[in-house]
Formats: sequence, structure tokens, C-alpha cells
Amino acid sequence: GIQVEQSPPDLILQEGANSTLRCNFSDSVNNLQWFHQNPWGQLINLFYIPSGTKQNGRLSATTVATERYSLLYISSSQTTDSGVYFCAVEPLRGGGNKLTFGTGTQLKVEL
Amino acid sequence: GAGVSQTPSNKVTEKGKYVELRCDPISGHTALYWYRQSLGQGPEFLIYFQGTGAADDSGLPNDRFFAVRPEGSVSTLKIQRTERGDSAVYLCASSLYPTGSRDEQYFGPGTRLTVT
Repeated sequence: GIQVEQSPPDLILQEGANSTLRCNFSDSVNNLQWFHQNPWGQLINLFYIPSGTKQNGRLSATTVATERYSLLYISSSQTTDSGVYFCAVEPLRGGGNKLTFGTGTQLKVEL
Repeated sequence: GAGVSQTPSNKVTEKGKYVELRCDPISGHTALYWYRQSLGQGPEFLIYFQGTGAADDSGLPNDRFFAVRPEGSVSTLKIQRTERGDSAVYLCASSLYPTGSRDEQYFGPGTRLTVT
């Protein structure tokens, strides 16, 4: 099946800093989503972005489908940004409608 | 509007017992998914429903696991003869479109299952 790798696995930032999270995937995709899992375990939708660039406040994301990677940018980080960020993909061929998740990036934002 | 809801939020059961976990998807969403998340891992797919039928159950680990969605809305995940290895957070998701364009999935808060 499709492989999804995320980097870095862990990240510690000072409040106000910027960061870039990366997601590499091994095959063409029909769907790519970024999620934030907060400390209470809730998966929060950040972006639905199988290709192109989107922005939502301090967050933005870019997916380069032809090169099989996606980037999530966090600017002016806040302590509430702490948690785990997951990239999840649905393969274009043979994967049905299920999402395959990466192992996540654990982000901690400190004062 | 209301998001995906799951009950119970926590379930503790003894090894060998039967459990049922419930998922109420977003109103109007035709597709429903179950995932399982172990500590420190990303969620892993279990089963996908399109309407009332299971379109893909390839992620169910064995025949102790079964899920139903009799009226195309609420779904129940059933686990027989629970084992300690079944302990995990069980997540439910739903999406508006069944296939192709814009099948963005939205997740519920999960049910934390602990088998003692």
C-alpha cells in the first residue's frame, strides 16, 4: 500500500516562531488532508489539499502532487498550536476511500 | 452544525467480554469510516460504509470485529471476545461524497477502549 512519511517527528518552538512540516507519499493521491490532533485527542481538519496551495490564517499548505509531497507552514506559533500534526492520503488507484496516515509530527510550542 | 459524535467516550471492559461502540455521522453524510489509533501512532483504517453496505472491510483485524449501519446513518462497531490488544482509541469519520471529488473526512472525538 501507499507509504506516508512525515518529518520532523518532533519539534519544539518558542512562541512566535515559524515552522514547516513535511509529508512525503509514495504514490499518486486522490485526497490529502492535514489534521491537528489536540491534547484531548480530537482530530481537527486543517486542510483538504490534494494539490495546490491554501491558506487559513496563520496556517498554509502546499501540495506538489507530481513530486509527491506536501508542506504545512505554521507562522507566529502559539501555545495552542501544540499537539500532533498528521498528514493523511487516499491513493488515486486501488486504495478505495480509506485514508492512510503518517506517523505524525509532535509539536510543542513554549512561552 | 453538529459534528460526528461517538459514544461512549470511554469504555473499560474485561478480557473476553463483548462491546459495542456507536458512531453518529454528520447529517447527510453518506460515507462512514471506522479507524483505530494506538498510542503514539496515526489512525489505521478498519472499515468503510457507503450507505448501508460495507464497501471495504479490509482493515478489520479478524472475525471478532464486525460493524453495521442498518439505516445508512448511525453505525455500531462490535467487538466479540475482547483481548487486551484491542485496547485503543476507536475513531469514526464521515464524508459527504462517496467517491471522487471532495471526499473530505471529518472525525469524531473517539471512544477510548481499555480491555483489562
